[in-house]
Amino acid sequence: GESVGLHLPTLSVQEGDNSIINCAYSNSASDYFIWYKQESGKGPQFIIDIRSNMDKRQGQRVTVLLNKTVKHLSLQIAATQPGDSAVYFCAENPSYAGGTSYGKLTFGQGTILTVHP
Amino acid sequence: DAGVTQSPTHLIKTRGQQVTLRCSPKSGHDTVSWYQQALGQGPQFIFQYYEEEERQRGNFPDRFSGHQFPNYSSELNVNALLLGDSALYLCASSSPFESGYTFGSGTRLTVV
Repeated sequence: GESVGLHLPTLSVQEGDNSIINCAYSNSASDYFIWYKQESGKGPQFIIDIRSNMDKRQGQRVTVLLNKTVKHLSLQIAATQPGDSAVYFCAENPSYAGGTSYGKLTFGQGTILTVHP
Repeated sequence: DAGVTQSPTHLIKTRGQQVTLRCSPKSGHDTVSWYQQALGQGPQFIFQYYEEEERQRGNFPDRFSGHQFPNYSSELNVNALLLGDSALYLCASSSPFESGYTFGSGTRLTVV
């Protein structure tokens, strides 16, 4: 079956350091991947996404890398700040077709990122 | 512009009861998905509604049902509540003109 998993359940960094959160997925048919940030008491917040025809995508302070050969996804956060402390989830969608948002997202269990001032 | 709005924010129900949760999608979004998130876990897909019909369903029993209205808002109904149904229920909306899915803050359901 489909599954998305994370290698590290917790990650502690110092303010200003770069953070890397990893994710493994098992469905080679997955076409679309999203990273979400979830703070306590809130719903998941979109960070960045990437399609399977790309291997890297950059946003503001964040970069997502996709390695389809080993089915691995990572989120890099530059100059991590205390406000980045949250649970980070990767999610995959195997049925995303073009601009049509269709089908379910399969989430991993999450990585808790703690940023120390 | 309001994002995804869910109500109520918190709810306590007794085993065997029925519950209805509500979701208003982000403006311009026509597709609504529901997720269940147990404590310490990632969200699990329940089902997705588009054009007032259930388009896709996850591995949830028939006790979980939903509805989408002409204004794209949606309801999630759960019958015969079990203790294991205690979770955060998240609604996500999406649009073919915008990538990604926008989540609401969820409804925290506690079954006692």
